[in-house]
Amino acid sequence: GQQVMQIPQYQHVQEGEDFTTYCNSSTTLSNIQWYKQRPGGHPVFLIQLVKSGEVKKQKRLTFQFGEAKKNSSLHITATQTTDVGTYFCAKSTSGTYKYIFGTGTRLKVLA
Amino acid sequence: SQTIHQWPATLVQPVGSPLSLECTVEGTSNPNLYWYRQAAGRGLQLLFYSVGIGQISSEVPQNLSASRPQDRQFILSSKKLLLSDSGFYLCAWSLGTGNTIYFGEGSWLTVV
Repeated sequence: GQQVMQIPQYQHVQEGEDFTTYCNSSTTLSNIQWYKQRPGGHPVFLIQLVKSGEVKKQKRLTFQFGEAKKNSSLHITATQTTDVGTYFCAKSTSGTYKYIFGTGTRLKVLA
Repeated sequence: SQTIHQWPATLVQPVGSPLSLECTVEGTSNPNLYWYRQAAGRGLQLLFYSVGIGQISSEVPQNLSASRPQDRQFILSSKKLLLSDSGFYLCAWSLGTGNTIYFGEGSWLTVV
């Protein structure tokens, strides 16, 4: 289908460890967005990447867009319990209004 | 500022009963509107989207339908619910193409 694949599906880390989730598409992306969904909550926008090879940082979070614009990653340095949740990447199909979300990576941080 | 409201927040319905979930957006005009479903512990499945009044695009043929009677109102309906319709339903809006999508608080539907 049109889903964007994310790996891993689940990740348990000890507090203070790093965490990375990867998003892969079979087609070239016009842009990629990342969202975080806390347990029991709704997805909240984190960032959008548009340019090939783009890297953006938000405090302990680093987002990368691949050179071929077919993959992206989110890296969290020194995880904290507040990082718990599911992280989704999302693509908007060029020329349409559809947003297709990745399968998500559920992060659990053990104190 | 823009806000999005959806209700009810939780719903327990028997199999075969009808469904109506409503979503409204305030503070913007002509938004793109979306309905997503999320099964427990799973990803977000796009069900319907709308770019204008009366314009509905269905992504997944199933037991549900959507309507947009007003610019900032989006309704998800079913005539007869199935057990498999249980899940977390999220309404969302965006402007233009390739921009941020904003979600409502979600509606938990349990079909029993």
